[in-house]
This record gives sequence, C-alpha cells and structure tokens, in this order.
Amino acid sequence: NAGVMQNPRHLVRRRGQEARLRCSPMKGHSHVYWYRQLPEEGLKFMVYLQKENIIDESGMPKERFSAEFPKEGPSILRIQQVVRGDSAAYFCASSTESTGPNTEAFFGQGTRLTVV
Amino acid sequence: QKEVEQDPGPLSVPEGAIVSLNCTYSNSAFQYFMWYRQYSRKGPELLMYTYSSGNKEDGRFTAQVDKSSKYISLFIRDSQPSDSATYLCAMKDSSYKLIFGSGTRLLVRP
Repeated sequence: NAGVMQNPRHLVRRRGQEARLRCSPMKGHSHVYWYRQLPEEGLKFMVYLQKENIIDESGMPKERFSAEFPKEGPSILRIQQVVRGDSAAYFCASSTESTGPNTEAFFGQGTRLTVV
Repeated sequence: QKEVEQDPGPLSVPEGAIVSLNCTYSNSAFQYFMWYRQYSRKGPELLMYTYSSGNKEDGRFTAQVDKSSKYISLFIRDSQPSDSATYLCAMKDSSYKLIFGSGTRLLVRP
C-alpha cells in the first residue's frame, strides 16, 4: 500500500511564475490536507479538501493560492505569481475520516519550493 | 502566546540514554495528541497517536498525556543514533485541523 505521494519533490520557480504541487492520497483515503512548513517552524494548516469539494481553506492566503481535488486524479495546490516568501516545504496529508477515532493523518514527503 | 509550545532544542544525548520530549498547550478543547518524527528533508512520520490522558507504549516509545496540566511527553528508551531527527508534537480538537509544535531536534551520539 503506497503512502501519500507528492510530486515534484523539489521545484524551483522564478518570481512571477506559477507553481503546481501534486498529491495523491493513500489508497482508501478521501480526505486531503495541505500544510506549509517554513524553515525552523512547525507545519501550518492551509486547506482541507474532499473529492470535488473544498471544506476549509482558512489557512490559505487569500490571493494567488488555490487548491483542488478533482473526482479523478491527484489534489493540486497552485500558487500563481510566486514570490520569495512562498519558498517553503509543502506537505500533503490524507486520512480515512476527518473526525472520530480513525483520524490519523499520514504525510507525504513534501515538495520543497524555492523561488529565485 | 502560541497554542502549542515546544522547546526547539537541539537536544544531544549519548546512545542508550532515555530521551524526554515535551509540549505544552493552551487549548483545553484538544482531544487528540500525536507525535511525528521528521528526518531532514523528509515528511513527518506518525509515531504515536493518543486520545485520552495516560500512557501509551509502543516498543521503545511511550507517549504520555496529562490533560489537567495541558502537557504531553514522548519518552524514547535505549535511544539509538537512528533516532536522531526532529520530533513534532501535534494535536487537535474534534475537528480535522492539526496544530503543530515547532519541533525539537534530537541528536543521539554514538
């Protein structure tokens, strides 16, 4: 059973370009979460999605950031017109449920975005 | 004040030592408590997941939760160089949103 798969592992973008980060949840998991980790800091919640629905995007910047989890295919975190401050590690996690006892979230290896 | 406080370390111990890692929190609504291990440039790996106050043991790892003091701990017995990593505590209330500590860097010296 493959874990949470994220790609690419490393992404370099020039200021003003777009970044697309992909996440395939674990088999059987229908809940996807994106977190951002800045250097020397813990992970910060960005967005929670289920298939075709954004449930909570309260942690996402209002501009330039968007996320989707289509019926088919991986979840995508999209950052338009990237700036240097977007440089961070972006982690995706998935779970079988969002509440209740089976709510352990399993994380992918992350995408390290560097904006030059 | 952060919702979850965690000493960043680094914590350096000799191989075989007992390691104690701790977090305090301020939100009494937190019900679920987790410890993740994160190796350099890797994703967080779930180590322990607890729901109630008390102890939970898994091999060399013991997670302890004291809700009355809003204090959680992770103990590692017989520490190994391979345990060298950053340890993140995380917690949540009845919802889905994990709140993380900033992580403690642990170095186990051979």
